[in-house]
Amino acid sequence: DGGITQSPKYLFRKEGQNVTLSCEQNLNHDAMYWYRQDPGQGLRLIYYSQIVNDFQKGDIAEGYSVSREKKESFPLTVTSAQKNPTAFYLCASSITGTGGARYGYTFGSGTRLTVV
Amino acid sequence: AQSVTQLDSHVSVSEGTPVLLRCNYSSSYSPSLFWYVQHPNKGLQLLLKYTSAATLVKGINGFEAEFKKSETSFHLTKPSAHMSDAAEYFCAPSNDYKLSFGAGTTVTVRA
Repeated sequence: DGGITQSPKYLFRKEGQNVTLSCEQNLNHDAMYWYRQDPGQGLRLIYYSQIVNDFQKGDIAEGYSVSREKKESFPLTVTSAQKNPTAFYLCASSITGTGGARYGYTFGSGTRLTVV
Repeated sequence: AQSVTQLDSHVSVSEGTPVLLRCNYSSSYSPSLFWYVQHPNKGLQLLLKYTSAATLVKGINGFEAEFKKSETSFHLTKPSAHMSDAAEYFCAPSNDYKLSFGAGTTVTVRA
C-alpha cells in the first residue's frame, strides 16, 4: 500500500545536539511538507518542497533545515539553534506542487521529539 | 492570503446526539476546503473536502460539511456521535501550494 512513513516514532535529543527526522513516501507525490504541532496551536508549517532539489521556508523555519535530493524523501534536521524543539512533527505530501494542495495532503503518523 | 478560525476549541457531546464543529475562513478567492481528524499520537486523516463542486460534502464515518460562500463558513456536522469520534478536528483551506490549518477542535463524547 502507498503511504508516508515517518521514523522514528519517538526521539529524544540532548541539549546542543542535532537530530534528523525521516520522511519517506511511495505515493509518487511531487510536493512534501513538514509541520510542527504543539498543544492548542494547530499545525505550523516549517518547510515545504514542491519539486526535487527545491524547498521553501514556511512560517517557523528558524532552527530547522531540510533537503530534497530524492522525490521519495524529505528529511528534517532539528538543529541546536532551535531553542524549544519538543513537539510532535508531521510530514505530509500532495500530488503535485502547483495546484496540488487543492487535492489535499496525505500525512505520516508523526514523530514525537523530546529534549532531555 | 488566507486564514482560518475554528470557533470552538472544545466540544463535548453525549453519544447519539448531533455534533457541530464550526469553521470560518478568509481568502481572496474561493479556496478548496478540508476537514481532517487526528486521534492521539497519530497523523491526520482526511474526513472530507470541498473543491467547488456540490456545496454539501459527505465524508467518511457519517460526517458532512456545507460550504457557504456568503458566510465564508465550512461547518462540520454528524447527526449522531459515536464514542470513536472522540478526537481532534482540523479545518484547512488551501491555495495552490499549501494548506493552512486552524487551531483545532477537541471533541469528547460522553457515554
